[in-house]
Amino acid sequence: AQKITQTQPGMFVQEKEAVTLDCTYDTSDQSYGLFWYKQPSSGEMIFLIYQGSYDEQNATEGRYSLNFQKARKSANLVISASQLGDSAMYFCAMRGSDSWGKFQFGAGTQVVVTP
Amino acid sequence: GAGVSQSPSNKVTEKGKDVELRCDPISGHTALYWYRQSLGQGLEFLIYFQGNSAPDKSGLPSDRFSAERTGGSVSTLTIQRTQQEDSAVYLCASSFSGGGTDTQYFGPGTRLTVL
Repeated sequence: AQKITQTQPGMFVQEKEAVTLDCTYDTSDQSYGLFWYKQPSSGEMIFLIYQGSYDEQNATEGRYSLNFQKARKSANLVISASQLGDSAMYFCAMRGSDSWGKFQFGAGTQVVVTP
Repeated sequence: GAGVSQSPSNKVTEKGKDVELRCDPISGHTALYWYRQSLGQGLEFLIYFQGNSAPDKSGLPSDRFSAERTGGSVSTLTIQRTQQEDSAVYLCASSFSGGGTDTQYFGPGTRLTVL
């Protein structure tokens, strides 16, 4: 069984500051993938970044980077230089090799960027 | 290019009625996923289709829920004898192959309200 835990229900961050969103996971799969999605108030789910369990380098996509610490089973998302448009709900998710189709999502972290 | 589309965008029904929710995946995507998102909650996996393989139905909450995918493309999620606790946003996603690094692309969702 897989489990994703996001312990921060909500965060405020000032514009242009960096913010780290926590995500820990639990799985017995040797091969798995970790994802972060953004959900603005409009409701659509937007893919941000992916990290494979065998990837040695931390994933980066523009202002998003994933701090992957495999031994600690954590996959924190770092957003650099926050913008007002970053205000949204952020979900961490994973899929494991025993069932690639079955994504497990965390409860989410609400981020509010203030001027 | 066309993304994942879902219809209807909103559905209000009376308790006990049956409803059908439709999902049109991105053309060429072989994997299709259904999720449920209750108000303020994360995504709950419902069902996963991959090509011609038997679907992974392990997330369906009861036998009132069923889904089919015709011709490897369009999918319909059916909820029979709806209950008030079925009220939620139902999200559909598709991906190219369903493999480990595969990224899901989400539709806008159907907001279901059961009175």
